[in-house]
Order: sequence, then structure tokens, then C-alpha cells
Amino acid sequence: DTGVSQNPRHKITKRGQNVTFRCDPISEHNRLYWYRQTLGQGPEFLTYFQNEAQLEKSRLLSDRFSAERPKGSFSTLEIQRTEQGDSAMYLCASSLTGTSYNEQFFGPGTRLTVL
Amino acid sequence: QQPVQSPQAVILREGEDAVINCSSSKALYSVHWYRQKHGEAPVFLMILLKGGEQKGHEKISASFNEKKQQSSLYLTASQLSYSGTYFCGTPEGGGGNKLTFGTGTQLKVEL
Repeated sequence: DTGVSQNPRHKITKRGQNVTFRCDPISEHNRLYWYRQTLGQGPEFLTYFQNEAQLEKSRLLSDRFSAERPKGSFSTLEIQRTEQGDSAMYLCASSLTGTSYNEQFFGPGTRLTVL
Repeated sequence: QQPVQSPQAVILREGEDAVINCSSSKALYSVHWYRQKHGEAPVFLMILLKGGEQKGHEKISASFNEKKQQSSLYLTASQLSYSGTYFCGTPEGGGGNKLTFGTGTQLKVEL
């Protein structure tokens, strides 16, 4: 069990550029979540997958955001035409269904800075 | 609406105890607790289920009052490593899907 990993850990980009983040969940976990966290706030839900199916998207997720989990393993989150308001920590978490607890384990996050 | 936590911040001396509360305006089926250190990801601490089941660390305890829609996290004999921001998280609906995190409690343990 190597935990949830995310790449890159930091990304600095100019406004208007596209960025893509990757998340590798814990290997046997079938659920994968994306959250966004700004300074001093708790994580806010963006979207989640069960296997390769994207089951829910938050209203926070504008049309510029897209997420995929093509083979039910790793996931990517792409932000097109970045804005300064997109600057935040993007967190990925994974969990395993079929238990009562469904605890979510978080990765180290990708900190995005949009200049 | 996100759960409200209290206190917002607390400073302890090593060895002292603390209680962190989490109140929701919605019915709770379970409560998840996380600790986050500055610049790091949230770390899972504990989960409490409706009905009394719980799973978590041996040195941390918590309670869950379904009727009052509240949960409390009890930190006893605090250590320097307990410092961080504590968040409660409540799942939407009856499943363990997306979590709505609380307002957070900053805890600092000093010598």
C-alpha cells in the first residue's frame, strides 16, 4: 500500500494556459475524488469517480474543468484557460466501497499558482 | 451548508486535553475526522457511524450524537505532533460519497 500519489506537487502557470494534474489512487480503491482547497478553508468537493464512471460533479466545476479516469485506475484533472481564481491546492482522495466506513485517504495535493 | 466547528482555534500546553465540536444543520449518518498540517494533505483520524460503530486511532476518541447532529473529538494528553487544523467531514446522503468539510479548528500544542 503506497498511498495516494499526485503529480506534479507544484505548478505555476500564466493566466490563460491549460494545466493537467494526475492522481494515482491506492491500488485496490475503486472510488476516486477530487477536492479543491484554498488557504484557511476546508477541502471542497469537485467530482468523483467509481471505477471509470464519473458519478457526480460539483457546481464549482465550471466548463473549463474536466476530469477523466479512463481505465478506472489513475485520474487526470485538466483546467483550460486558467484564471487567477483557480489558484488553490487540488487534492485527490480514494476509497473502497463495500465497507461500512468508506474512509477517504488523501494524496499530498498539487498546489496551483496562476500568475 | 458546511458543518460548524468550535472552537475556531485553541492553544494547549503539552499534556493538556482538548475537545473539538462539529455541528451540522443536516441529519448525519456518519462523521469523518481529519487532521491537516500546514502545506500537507488531510490525514484520516477517525470515522463514526450512526449506531455507534467507529474506526480510528487508538489514542483519539470521539462521540457522535445523531439526535443533536453533533460530533466531538477528544484529544487527551496532547503532544506537539497533535498541532494542526482539524476538520470534520460529513457525507451527503446515506452513502460515503463526497464529504462536506467543516469550518476547521486550529490546534497548537506548545511545550
